[in-house]
Amino acid sequence: GAVVSQHPSWVICKSGTSVKIECRSLDFQATTMFWYRQFPKQSLMLMATSNEGSKATYEQGVEKDKFLINHASLTLSTLTVTSAHPEDSSFYICSARNWLVGKGDEQFFGPGTRLTVL
Amino acid sequence: SQQGEEDPQALSIQEGENATMNCSYKTSINNLQWYRQNSGRGLVHLILIRSNEREKHSGRLRVTLDTSKKSSSLLITASRAADTASYFCATDQGGKLIFGQGTELSVKP
Repeated sequence: GAVVSQHPSWVICKSGTSVKIECRSLDFQATTMFWYRQFPKQSLMLMATSNEGSKATYEQGVEKDKFLINHASLTLSTLTVTSAHPEDSSFYICSARNWLVGKGDEQFFGPGTRLTVL
Repeated sequence: SQQGEEDPQALSIQEGENATMNCSYKTSINNLQWYRQNSGRGLVHLILIRSNEREKHSGRLRVTLDTSKKSSSLLITASRAADTASYFCATDQGGKLIFGQGTELSVKP
């Protein structure tokens, strides 16, 4: 099946710093990538949808200036958490989709990145 | 919120028993998917059922979908200790996956 990787798998940073998380589709071109956030013992919440070459569409309540998303190529999307604070500590998961892969309605998930802000 | 609801929130059973989890949603969907997540790990895709399908099987898994009631169920038969995990349903709403709140399944040996 299609493979999606994330880097780093975990990161610890100081409050006030920015952290960049990469999401790559390894064996297919992703026309659309999604970013989710998951707090402990909770479900995944969709943060934003990004299409290659265009601005990301953020879900209600997600600050676009705090969570910068760049989908510069068909295989790479990045999420930058700017001026991170302890409340941003979470598990961030990306997924990728290509309408031409498989039956077009599957999303392929990365393994997630655990962010801890001290 | 468009997030689906799942019940039960937690389920504890003995190995060999069947486990049933239910998912309800509010809007029209393209498909509904079930995922498993072990503690602190990534998602494992279990099964996808499209809006024009009513039932689907995969190994020990059986998924049903009732679009008139906007609900789905996941049945795991002959459960094993290794099935212990959180299970999430997710509905495809216009290309976006919206996850339910999840069911935490514990299978005791």
